[in-house]
Amino acid sequence: DQQVKQNSPSLSVQEGRISILNCDYTNSMFDYFLWYKKYPAEGPTFLISISSIKDKNEDGRFTVFLNKSAKHLSLHIVPSQPGDSAVYFCAAKTVDSSYKLIFGSGTRLLVRP
Amino acid sequence: DGGITQSPKYLFRKEGQNVTLSCEQNLNHDAMYWYRQDPGQGLRLIYYSQIVNDFQKGDIAEGYSVSREKKESFPLTVTSAQKNPTAFYLCASSIAGGGYTFGSGTRLTVV
Repeated sequence: DQQVKQNSPSLSVQEGRISILNCDYTNSMFDYFLWYKKYPAEGPTFLISISSIKDKNEDGRFTVFLNKSAKHLSLHIVPSQPGDSAVYFCAAKTVDSSYKLIFGSGTRLLVRP
Repeated sequence: DGGITQSPKYLFRKEGQNVTLSCEQNLNHDAMYWYRQDPGQGLRLIYYSQIVNDFQKGDIAEGYSVSREKKESFPLTVTSAQKNPTAFYLCASSIAGGGYTFGSGTRLTVV
């Protein structure tokens, strides 16, 4: 039972264009969502997060959108750069568990020069 | 300079052998976690601990054991009961309600 789903295993975009990574979830008790970026043979690093009381959070080139009615969130990267090429994980936590994060399966982004 | 350290970076295990992966943090985080990543798959939770001397099973705890005798340390033992141990193992820590800080991982290979 996958509560957090990233249905696109990979995405390829041209440098300078927008990258849109999608994430769907099934648990309506999730109250906080995060995106992590992972390079090969390294641990994931935190990128951006959003609380369920918001529908948008922006940090430089990265923006996360949350659509609670659709149980969908997306990460926009504008403009995309070759250094953004990595695996991106969506994660969520529930209101009743302040510690445990549930991760999606990841999307591998390739930004072509 | 606070952080979370996993060692070793690479580990080779013979069939039927137990091995222990180290995870140490100096971030003063209460909670620590172990995840496993397989090629083309996401992060699956093995064990987690919210306080010293207490830990809970995650989604794939079979064949693994942990201890949390000190706040800073959360070692993971991969036992011979784990049928498919070859994977990339990630340790993380957090404060309550916070995001995770991950270590750089240990790649375990059965030979």
